[in-house]
Amino acid sequence: EADIYQTPRYLVIGTGKKITLECSQTMGHDKMYWYQQDPGMELHLIHYSYGVNSTEKGDLSSESTVSRIRTEHFPLTLESARPSHTSQYLCASSGPKSGDDEKLFFGSGTQLSVL
Amino acid sequence: KNQVEQSPQSLIILEGKNCTLQCNYTVSPFSNLRWYKQDTGRGPVSLTIMTFSENTKSNGRYTATLDADTKQSSLHITASQLSDSASYICVVSDRGSTLGRLYFGRGTQLTVWP
Repeated sequence: EADIYQTPRYLVIGTGKKITLECSQTMGHDKMYWYQQDPGMELHLIHYSYGVNSTEKGDLSSESTVSRIRTEHFPLTLESARPSHTSQYLCASSGPKSGDDEKLFFGSGTQLSVL
Repeated sequence: KNQVEQSPQSLIILEGKNCTLQCNYTVSPFSNLRWYKQDTGRGPVSLTIMTFSENTKSNGRYTATLDADTKQSSLHITASQLSDSASYICVVSDRGSTLGRLYFGRGTQLTVWP
């Protein structure tokens, strides 16, 4: 079982609200990722980080932002939520300490619904 | 364009039966291919990894195969159980960057009925 945690599991909010999705891992992994997943579709990378103070945008354009102030913490923030942001958000991490640098360990996800 | 295509999109089988899921890819250069299992409401969990030199690898009742020449992989599940009901996702990594970019398939939704 992976030691990576996401909160909240479910979130229903109104349009225009600011939200932060939390992600923490206790495996000491350097690399962390945020993916967006819609039903029946592939995962899309929206942000990733190689380590502290390192963040990059992924393949899918996103209005969200991320920060990496501590190795174990990688929160994602939406300044003004819109219905188009409704989706499943998955956080993942990987690192050589797991014995395989590319194996992803996923959290259980946050299902976001914006009304 | 690098792509990963999975088939079938969905599959229903009876408990105890075997099944095979397919993954075709056009990713190049190729580094490795992973199969992940994603239970409903959970994040994906890695089942197995296949590198260029590996043809087959087993993990309990799961057996993955790889044909790097035809760029095809399969995941065979033997003696299915109700707990096998999940989405199975094929993920291919290239060597195009230090990170090793990942290409995700859309998954095969497997339902096992009692």
